[in-house]
Amino acid sequence: EAQVTQNPRYLITVTGKKLTVTCSQNMNHEYMSWYRQDPGLGLRQIYYSMNVEVTDKGDVPEGYKVSRKEKRNFPLILESPSPNQTSLYFCASWEGAKGYTFGSGTRLTVV
Amino acid sequence: DQQVKQNSPSLSVQEGRISILNCDYTNSMFDYFLWYKKYPAEGPTFLISISSIKDKNEDGRFTVFLNKSAKHLSLHIVPSQPGDSAVYFCAASLNTGGFKTIFGAGTRLFVKA
Repeated sequence: EAQVTQNPRYLITVTGKKLTVTCSQNMNHEYMSWYRQDPGLGLRQIYYSMNVEVTDKGDVPEGYKVSRKEKRNFPLILESPSPNQTSLYFCASWEGAKGYTFGSGTRLTVV
Repeated sequence: DQQVKQNSPSLSVQEGRISILNCDYTNSMFDYFLWYKKYPAEGPTFLISISSIKDKNEDGRFTVFLNKSAKHLSLHIVPSQPGDSAVYFCAASLNTGGFKTIFGAGTRLFVKA
């Protein structure tokens, strides 16, 4: 089954403690993205990657890092999380005419 | 500056009637538009799309209309069913490669039985 898998689903952490949200796709897609969803703001792009070792900033990249060492994996890294990064995060893989396939989401709370 | 706007946060419709969800965009360079549906605790799922060279695309109960001169698109659901109750996101892309896909804030649709 074609899918995007992200983990964990839920995470509560403290300010400043580094964390990584993993994302993996099994469709051999080149293009992947990370989005965050906040009430009234919809989905905002954090980072995207056009292929292995090719990444670029989206609209809200501050406080985040990504890496793309292999095609299937695209982890999101928060080096020093802050409370304003409390959000619902989605990893997505681009299917062309059908747009993105999204993961199930990671709800992050930073206290 | 929001490049893709969904001005109605919510919409309530009776089962069997038509649901019309609207979306406006500001960047005339967008050339591919998509609608996604999202249920609670799930990721958004693709619903229907339209290229800027078309003005209408239909898939079963779902039809998307594009008015390029007005920079406006709409999603029509006919007939509406209770299972259609979800949040609907409009998205606009600079090309089908998805290099820059901007989403609206979403409209929550309630379909009453």
